[in-house]
Amino acid sequence: GAVVSQHPSRVICKSGTSVKIECRSLDFQATTMFWYRQFPKKSLMLMATSNEGSKATYEQGVEKDKFLINHASLTLSTLTVTSAHPEDSSFYICSAPRPGLSDEQYFGPGTRLTVT
Amino acid sequence: GNSVTQMEGPVTLSEEAFLTINCTYTATGYPSLFWYVQYPGEGLQLLLKATKADDKGSNKGFEATYRKETTSFHLEKGSVQVSDSAVYFCALSESGGADGLTFGKGTHLIIQP
Repeated sequence: GAVVSQHPSRVICKSGTSVKIECRSLDFQATTMFWYRQFPKKSLMLMATSNEGSKATYEQGVEKDKFLINHASLTLSTLTVTSAHPEDSSFYICSAPRPGLSDEQYFGPGTRLTVT
Repeated sequence: GNSVTQMEGPVTLSEEAFLTINCTYTATGYPSLFWYVQYPGEGLQLLLKATKADDKGSNKGFEATYRKETTSFHLEKGSVQVSDSAVYFCALSESGGADGLTFGKGTHLIIQP
């Protein structure tokens, strides 16, 4: 069964609004989680590393004020897309390291964001 | 920086055919290498991995060998099934996974009965 969940699976929002995506580790704790963005026919691009108890680490070119990450607990990280625009429409995926084997990741099923 | 290059699809094969999906990488250090698979409507799942040169990862009939001399990690399966239809991602990780994964673009595999 799934060990990392995401909510919602799909969301449609209007330009200028904000939307929050949740990523939860099920039955294990994750002090670190990762957020990726997947473009059509493109690879997953790492956006940021979410760290429990400290600030997220963003990859070069990712706007930290636009993509707010909060690692609220050892099982929950949230990604908030603020003032969304159509170009933010994408598939957002989170992952958490497998306990004891940190180079392996458990991935969530992804969230399809459409901004109209 | 690190990068992963894999053959782009879609790759369409008949059932029981031999499969090869090429993957090469560029890394500054000594990475671990992975193949992840994404079935329709599901999240990525680890298929196999190798952590050092000449290691062979294997799972569900799939194999890949870590070739440091050619910086490659090609995925192979001797006889594919319709249920193998999915998107396959080659990926690497340095720093023991602390910095996330670097992915290739993914290869869509279609197996026809």
